[in-house]
Amino acid sequence: AQTVTQSQPEMSVQEAETVTLSCTYDTSESDYYLFWYKQPPSRQMILVIRQEAYKQQNATENRFSVNFQKAAKSFSLKISDSQLGDAAMYFCAYFSGTYKYIFGTGTRLKVLA
Amino acid sequence: EAGVAQSPRYKIIEKRQSVAFWCNPISGHATLYWYQQILGQGPKLLIQFQNNGVVDDSQLPKDRFSAERLKGVDSTLKIQPAKLEDSAVYLCASSLWTSGSYEQYFGPGTRLTVT
Repeated sequence: AQTVTQSQPEMSVQEAETVTLSCTYDTSESDYYLFWYKQPPSRQMILVIRQEAYKQQNATENRFSVNFQKAAKSFSLKISDSQLGDAAMYFCAYFSGTYKYIFGTGTRLKVLA
Repeated sequence: EAGVAQSPRYKIIEKRQSVAFWCNPISGHATLYWYQQILGQGPKLLIQFQNNGVVDDSQLPKDRFSAERLKGVDSTLKIQPAKLEDSAVYLCASSLWTSGSYEQYFGPGTRLTVT
């Protein structure tokens, strides 16, 4: 069965600095999607970035980028120039042709002024 | 484009009572998900609909939880009777479900407290 592991329950970063959140997953499938979702305190979850497994190029969305290592089954999120508004829970998620979404346990990111 | 709507936003009930949550997905989204999110944890899938049909309800406690999706649009999730451990945020999400577009759009959630 597929699993998603986020080994960092909490991370802190200084405003304007860069932070990397880790995610590993386990799967026997070759075609799948990976996502990072952000859930601010008491606010709804939104998509940050996505990566198709068949694409070798790492996805980038403004200050957010991923380091996708398919062989290592690793999918980390890098946030550059961190802002106070980046403080939230971040969830890594896996989706495949079995139509199931599997979420990690989340990493709470604190941004220090 | 209107987002995923959920109601109520908050609900407090006593154990053994029943409760129902409503979700209206984004127009045109074929797939609808209900998740349970306990404080400090990631979302746990309860049930997934594809149009009118159930794709996955393997983690739905069917002795007390039920869900339906009317005409492939709105959905309701019911708990009867509620237990203390059902206290959580219930999230509804929808997805367009076309090739390359599997990201989910989440509603604001319903925070349930069972006393």
